[in-house]
Amino acid sequence: AQSVAQPEDQVNVAEGNPLTVKCTYSVSGNPYLFWYVQYPNRGLQFLLKYITGDNLVKGSYGFEAEFNKSQTSFHLKKPSALVSDSALYFCAVRDGTGANNLFFGTGTRLTVIP
Amino acid sequence: DGGITQSPKYLFRKEGQNVTLSCEQNLNHDAMYWYRQDPGQGLRLIYYSQIVNDFQKGDIAEGYSVSREKKESFPLTVTSAQKNPTAFYLCASSTTSTGELFFGEGSRLTVL
Repeated sequence: AQSVAQPEDQVNVAEGNPLTVKCTYSVSGNPYLFWYVQYPNRGLQFLLKYITGDNLVKGSYGFEAEFNKSQTSFHLKKPSALVSDSALYFCAVRDGTGANNLFFGTGTRLTVIP
Repeated sequence: DGGITQSPKYLFRKEGQNVTLSCEQNLNHDAMYWYRQDPGQGLRLIYYSQIVNDFQKGDIAEGYSVSREKKESFPLTVTSAQKNPTAFYLCASSTTSTGELFFGEGSRLTVL
């Protein structure tokens, strides 16, 4: 069975400081991992994905994520937070068996304080 | 522009009524999905379709129905059997080769 855990419901960070949003996963095969961002009353926007290859993945808006197989983690990071980064962030996983369904975490609300 | 269009954005329904949410995509994607979003619960899969005229139940299909008569369209009907239909509904599509989903802007259903 696939599952995703986002252990923090809320993350607060000062503008200009680095940010990390945590995600751990469980899949039976090779993981395909994704990060999405959601602004209020909007759909989800794709940020980045890990399929294979380099463990450090770079995505949209200066975000990056590091795949760590031994810790089954895929934490989202940004070196310098902006107030406009304040949003709801979702981690998602699917396994490599062919089914294309994504399983989503419960989301982490990021607030960047000016 | 290519994308996914959901309508209506806001919908109010009386108890006992069926409602249908529209989802149209012009991305030429084979797969389409419906998710339900409730505060603090993330996204839960209702139904998905990987090809025209075929669809499968997701984790919370009870009280919902779908059809996939055209590649571009995947409407969701929220029936009166759905006990707690008030939620934000998200439609998505994907190619099977890349895996990431592209989402519409969502439809917020409120049952009065």
